[in-house]
Amino acid sequence: NAGVTQTPKFRVLKTGQSMTLLCAQDMNHEYMYWYRQDPGMGLRLIHYSVGEGTTAKGEVPDGYNVSRLKKQNFLLGLESAAPSQTSVYFCASSYPPQKRYGYTFGSGTRLTVV
Amino acid sequence: GIQVEQSPPDLILQEGANSTLRCNFSDSVNNLQWFHQNPWGQLINLFYIPSGTKQNGRLSATTVATERYSLLYISSSQTTDSGVYFCAVYSGAGSYQLTFGKGTKLSVIP
Repeated sequence: NAGVTQTPKFRVLKTGQSMTLLCAQDMNHEYMYWYRQDPGMGLRLIHYSVGEGTTAKGEVPDGYNVSRLKKQNFLLGLESAAPSQTSVYFCASSYPPQKRYGYTFGSGTRLTVV
Repeated sequence: GIQVEQSPPDLILQEGANSTLRCNFSDSVNNLQWFHQNPWGQLINLFYIPSGTKQNGRLSATTVATERYSLLYISSSQTTDSGVYFCAVYSGAGSYQLTFGKGTKLSVIP
């Protein structure tokens, strides 16, 4: 099993460009999440999804959009990149909380906006 | 929202030493997880432990939910234990979202 796979692993964007980060999981998890990690800030939730076709805002959603058209995929979009979006982005997936299992994380995408 | 504080923020250990990392949280929780982020950035789930004690090899964790803290024990540390350890909690209220602490950076030196 691959677990949670993120693509790309690295990307450099110019201010104003757009891009999509792809997250794919093969564990049949219902829930999926996008986090960003910045130095000294820990991980902060951007958006999440509790099932195919559903999405919701997390702690820091501004400047991002997401889509979950298929259960196994969760896409994070930046419509007009800004230097403040330079960060490491992590995708994670899980079962619903009542199943009492932990999260599984992808290996991250390092994004630099210049 | 729920607050998570981890201590110490930094820890340097000699190989073979033991350590205890602490996670305090501001509200009752029904989900607490410990993660290790290795020096290459990969986040690995160590424990799902909303209460009680669990052990996995040299690592063990204890959560005392009534007193709102959790401890991660690392015994006979190895250089491969280096990295950042995160505690993350979910209060059970609202949507299922983990709130992360800022982590404890552990450096194990030979």
